[in-house]
Amino acid sequence: DAGVTQSPTHLIKTRGQQVTLRCSPKSGHDTVSWYQQALGQGPQFIFQYYEEEERQRGNFPDRFSGHQFPNYSSELNVNALLLGDSALYLCASSLAAGSQPQHFGDGTRLSIL
Amino acid sequence: AQSVTQLGSHVSVSEGALVLLRCNYSSSVPPYLFWYVQYPNQGLQLLLKYTSAATLVKGINGFEAEFKKSETSFHLTKPSAHMSDAAEYFCAVTPNPNTGFQKLVFGTGTRLLVSP
Repeated sequence: DAGVTQSPTHLIKTRGQQVTLRCSPKSGHDTVSWYQQALGQGPQFIFQYYEEEERQRGNFPDRFSGHQFPNYSSELNVNALLLGDSALYLCASSLAAGSQPQHFGDGTRLSIL
Repeated sequence: AQSVTQLGSHVSVSEGALVLLRCNYSSSVPPYLFWYVQYPNQGLQLLLKYTSAATLVKGINGFEAEFKKSETSFHLTKPSAHMSDAAEYFCAVTPNPNTGFQKLVFGTGTRLLVSP
C-alpha cells in the first residue's frame, strides 16, 4: 500500500521563478493538505483541498496556489519566488472525516538562490 | 487561536533512560492532539493521537502520551530510550475537530538526543 508520494525530492530555483510541486495521496484518501517547514521550525499550514476545491487556507500570500485533480492528487504552485520560500514542502493526505489523522510524504526540499 | 507549546528545543537522555517530551496546548474547544516524529531528510510519521477517547494513548515504538485537561498538557513519554529514537518530535493540535476539515497547528519541535 503506497503512502503519500511527492515529487521532485529536491529543487533549486532562482528568485522570481515559478515552481510546481506534486503530491499523490495515500490510497483511499480524498483530502490533501500542504505545509511549509522552514529550517528549524515546525510545519506551517498552507492550504487544504477536498473535492477539487480549496477548503481552508493558512496565512500565505496569493503567490501560493494549488489544485486537486479528480484522482485526488494535488499540485502546489508558487509564483515570483523569494529567498524566504526556501523550505521543505510537505504534503499530507487524509480522509475528510474528523478524527482521521494526516499522513505525510517525505517532502520536496526547495532551495531559492 | 489554538496553539501548542513544546518546552525545550533539545532534550538529551542516555540510552535506557526515561524519555519525557513536553507539550502544552491552547484551545477553546476540546482538541484533537497528535505527536509526530521526523527523522533527518524525511517527512512526519504519526506516533499517536488523542481524539477524545481514552486519556492515556499508546502509540508506536513504545511511546505513549496522557491527555490532562486540567493542565492543558499532552506530554510524550517512553520508559526506555533507544538510540533509534533520536529524531525531531512535533506536537500538533487540530483547532476545530468538529468540522470535517482538519488542519494541524504544530509546535516548534523538540530534538531528542540519545547518548550511549
